[in-house]
Amino acid sequence: AQKVTQAQTEISVVEKEDVTLDCVYETRDTTYYLFWYKQPPSGELVFLIRRNSFDEQNEISGRYSWNFQKSTSSFNFTITASQVVDSAVYFCALSEAVYKLSFGAGTTVTVRA
Amino acid sequence: GAVVSQHPSWVICKSGTSVKIECRSLDFQATTMFWYRQFPKQSLMLMATSNEGSKATYEQGVEKDKFLINHASLTLSTLTVTSAHPEDSSFYICSAREGWTDYTFGSGTRLTVV
Repeated sequence: AQKVTQAQTEISVVEKEDVTLDCVYETRDTTYYLFWYKQPPSGELVFLIRRNSFDEQNEISGRYSWNFQKSTSSFNFTITASQVVDSAVYFCALSEAVYKLSFGAGTTVTVRA
Repeated sequence: GAVVSQHPSWVICKSGTSVKIECRSLDFQATTMFWYRQFPKQSLMLMATSNEGSKATYEQGVEKDKFLINHASLTLSTLTVTSAHPEDSSFYICSAREGWTDYTFGSGTRLTVV
């Protein structure tokens, strides 16, 4: 069963538009961790954020923000005022008690100038 | 921050030969290392988990005799693709974990088997 669902396969926006990437997860554990990673065309994974299940506070880091809602098992990611450099594949991931990362299918974001 | 070095970045090999990929944690000791495989436009699929000094644990469907993993020290894990075939061509990424949830990824290895 898919533990992490990223329903959006591709999103294309014009520069300066906001982009929201959805992530829905499934777990029976009470303690778990959620992650977002960026994968640019070069292939390396860039860590963006880690959030544990006990911390539902939303977070903002520059143009990035995250909305964690346990009630809906969602951990959505918003890029404000998108830039061409934001073009990449973004992965949401879940780490449960077994401490292995389960990745979603990824969302390809294309920002056009 | 933590750094994981993965080599080579890319490799082309002939069908039937073996290829070794190295994953090294440079500034920390990794309690566990993970190997992933990623086909074009797909997600990362975990192949195996390895702990220093013990046998790797392979995910269902991954051939352990084909993908040999050696985790000889707390800073080095290697993945050897034995008797490689064109269908093994993929992007392989390692990850080293320090503590329970601090995952650091290597830059990946693009393997092409011709």
